[in-house]
Amino acid sequence: GQQLNQSPQSMFIQEGEDVSMNCTSSSIFNTWLWYKQEPGEGPVLLIALYKAGELTSNGRLTAQFGITRKDSFLNISASIPSDVGIYFCAGQRNDMRFGAGTRLTVKP
Amino acid sequence: EPEVTQTPSHQVTQMGQEVILRCVPISNHLYFYWYRQILGQKVEFLVSFYNNEISEKSEIFDDQFSVERPDGSNFTLKIRSTKLEDSAMYFCASRGGQMNTEAFFGQGTRLTVV
Repeated sequence: GQQLNQSPQSMFIQEGEDVSMNCTSSSIFNTWLWYKQEPGEGPVLLIALYKAGELTSNGRLTAQFGITRKDSFLNISASIPSDVGIYFCAGQRNDMRFGAGTRLTVKP
Repeated sequence: EPEVTQTPSHQVTQMGQEVILRCVPISNHLYFYWYRQILGQKVEFLVSFYNNEISEKSEIFDDQFSVERPDGSNFTLKIRSTKLEDSAMYFCASRGGQMNTEAFFGQGTRLTVV
């Protein structure tokens, strides 16, 4: 099936530190997406990647679509307290499947 | 900015009752989805809908569930005979018709079955 393995499950970091999380799958996807979810809210799109090898930035966020189309990573540089939340990767072919999420805690 | 809207934001229902969760996708979108998120857990795919029919569904989406697009704007998820374990956030999402388009999510409906 289209299982996505996301790691790490959780991270506790100090404000100012960089963060890295990734997703892998046995399936090939046409699009990789990264979402952030805050308590009581729906997932909000951060970055969308459309081509194998693509590297895209959105402010302090950088994400890459793996060459094999089976993986992606998200980096957050110089974390701040409002980065707190759950980050989900999602792979999309016809429908979209999510990783289990990385819960990020940032200590001031 | 166009957005996906879901109603109600919170629904409490008794076990065994039927519930209908409503979604209004972004108006020019063609692909519609329902996802479920049990508290503190991952977002799980339930069903995708395109061209007035289900295009894919997960093992979670059994005979208890059904979806409908009754008119040009609404997309509903019906859960028959709710169980305690159906308690979760239910998210609707939609995306445009091209292959390389991202999905946008509603704020979710929190369903509590008591």
